[in-house]
Amino acid sequence: DQQVKQNSPSLSVQEGRISILNCDYTNSMFDYFLWYKKYPAEGPTFLISISSIKDKNEDGRFTVFLNKSAKHLSLHIVPSQPGDSAVYFCAASAYYGGSQGNLIFGKGTKLSVKP
Amino acid sequence: DAGVIQSPRHEVTEMGQEVTLRCKPISGHDYLFWYRQTMMRGLELLIYFNNNVPIDDSGMPEDRFSAKMPNASFSTLKIQPSEPRDSAVYFCASSFVGSGETQYFGPGTRLLVL
Repeated sequence: DQQVKQNSPSLSVQEGRISILNCDYTNSMFDYFLWYKKYPAEGPTFLISISSIKDKNEDGRFTVFLNKSAKHLSLHIVPSQPGDSAVYFCAASAYYGGSQGNLIFGKGTKLSVKP
Repeated sequence: DAGVIQSPRHEVTEMGQEVTLRCKPISGHDYLFWYRQTMMRGLELLIYFNNNVPIDDSGMPEDRFSAKMPNASFSTLKIQPSEPRDSAVYFCASSFVGSGETQYFGPGTRLLVL
């Protein structure tokens, strides 16, 4: 059973508009969440993260929102640019007592930003 | 500074052959992860090491898969014998305590088993 779900396999947005990518999780022990971006023929690269003690984290055009009660997080990209076209993975981790936890990934959402 | 290095980038082999994938983590990183990406299952963790010691190999699909980390700068993932269903992209990633949960991925090895 998937613990991290990205229900939209693809999303198409016009350049300059907002892109909103969604992610749901089922494990209440998750306390750290990350977004990765992946271009074709490359490995995923870290984009932004959020700890469960926060509900928002912003980095330039990228903002991640966390709603713990709904077990939901979202990534907002404003404004969207054609270079943002990639597959975005949501990932979650449970950080046990100082030990590095596993990252559980969603299946990804392919974002296409059209000029 | 060099990122995670994986070799080969592409591998085509025939069913039954042995396949060895290689990874060099980022210097100073003490965690190393092997992932497999397929259309059906997405990105799934196979095994990870801390200070060269395997910590969790519960994601390794079966005994045909094995992984080693003989030193801090090198790891291998071996499939013997390979099967067509092993065709996937295999990623290696590394991280360190202090990077939070952020992992740094290599470019991947695209494996095709005929």
